[in-house]
Amino acid sequence: EVQLLESGGGLVQPGGSLRLSCAASGITFSNYVMSWVRQAPGKGLEWISVISGSGDTTYYAASVKGRFTISRDNSKNSLYLQMNNLRAEDTAVYYCAKIVTTTDHWGQGTLVIVSS
Amino acid sequence: QPVLTQSSSASASLGSSVKLTCTLNSGHSNNIIAWHQQHPGKAPRYLMNLEGSGSYNKGSGVPDRFSGSSSGADRYLTISNLQSEDEADYYCETWDRNSRVFGGGTKLTVL
Repeated sequence: EVQLLESGGGLVQPGGSLRLSCAASGITFSNYVMSWVRQAPGKGLEWISVISGSGDTTYYAASVKGRFTISRDNSKNSLYLQMNNLRAEDTAVYYCAKIVTTTDHWGQGTLVIVSS
Repeated sequence: QPVLTQSSSASASLGSSVKLTCTLNSGHSNNIIAWHQQHPGKAPRYLMNLEGSGSYNKGSGVPDRFSGSSSGADRYLTISNLQSEDEADYYCETWDRNSRVFGGGTKLTVL
């Protein structure tokens, strides 16, 4: 059974940093493209970043480019999202997602609140 | 970049059927999409991916009541014999070379 378990969310001040992690199990992790998707309170889903199975190709949404960095450690079956210079509008639940053409598995999410 | 358009809301009666629509923008009418279901306060759940031909592949455990179809740039999710637990938000998703896109979501109310 595929499981994706996010961690690392919490309360952070504007301008601060946070690193999210996603631990994957039940899959050969390195075989899969992975992504991060967020959902602000009361809003829809917003894709923010994707990374290839090897980790050598990454893409970002314009809203986070230059502030967020996606990475992975295939030896640890883990996906990461380093978030810097956080803004109030980054407040959201962050989901990691496994991709096979489209997203086919979701984590349970971790909440990030950016507030002073 | 692809754009997905969904109606913001839909409603149907318990035991009836409903057909939700996701429309691809010009230049992306052949894209494969996915449908996801999300209950309030819960993570999204993958339902199926759906090709322009109308062929679809459902995720593990998705009831037979859920089916997909296509017509041109429109992708449909049909839910038959509506149950109370089908009341949820439904999102479609697609991608291009360097980005992924979600529709705005449809809130389905079961009357």
